[in-house]
Amino acid sequence: KAGVTQTPRYLIKTRGQQVTLSCSPISGHRSVSWYQQTPGQGLQFLFEYFSETQRNKGNFPGRFSGRQFSNSRSEMNVSTLELGDSALYLCASSYNSGSAEAFFGQGTRLTVV
Amino acid sequence: QKEVEQDPGPLSVPEGAIVSLNCTYSNSAFQYFMWYRQYSRKGPELLMYTYSSGNKEDGRFTAQVDKSSKYISLFIRDSQPSDSATYLCAMIGISSGSARQLTFGSGTQLTVLP
Repeated sequence: KAGVTQTPRYLIKTRGQQVTLSCSPISGHRSVSWYQQTPGQGLQFLFEYFSETQRNKGNFPGRFSGRQFSNSRSEMNVSTLELGDSALYLCASSYNSGSAEAFFGQGTRLTVV
Repeated sequence: QKEVEQDPGPLSVPEGAIVSLNCTYSNSAFQYFMWYRQYSRKGPELLMYTYSSGNKEDGRFTAQVDKSSKYISLFIRDSQPSDSATYLCAMIGISSGSARQLTFGSGTQLTVLP
């Protein structure tokens, strides 16, 4: 069974640009959650999508957005990048919304210069 | 104050030692308690989860939850150098609101010395 796939693995962007990250969940899983991981703040919840609907949202500015497609694949977008957006972005896949069994991808390492 | 507090370590132990990792939390809405292991440059890997209070064992790993004290632990027996990683506790509740998302501790960095 294939795991959670995140693309790309690494990204370097310039301040002010925008970026789109992609996450393909485990087959059959309908919930995708996104997290930002930094050394100072640890893992912080961004948002969760279930059946193409945003179910929950963390405390991040509106520059962070996401969506989910009918095949459960999800994308997150960050507009007007700031240096502080440099982080490891992780997505987690689970069968149902709010499930204790969440499986993470390898993450996308975003560096903003 | 963070909802989930975890001692960041670092923690170094000799091979074969018993390791104890702990987290405390403040939100009584949390019902499921998870432990993840994260190797450098990798995503977190789910080790085990428990529901409500009690113990759960899986091989060399034992998870304990004490909801009355809002305290959870992970014990690793016969620790191996391959256990060297960052261990993250996480919690979730099925009610609505902020508890309905995984909330993580800051992680404890563990090194098992051969």
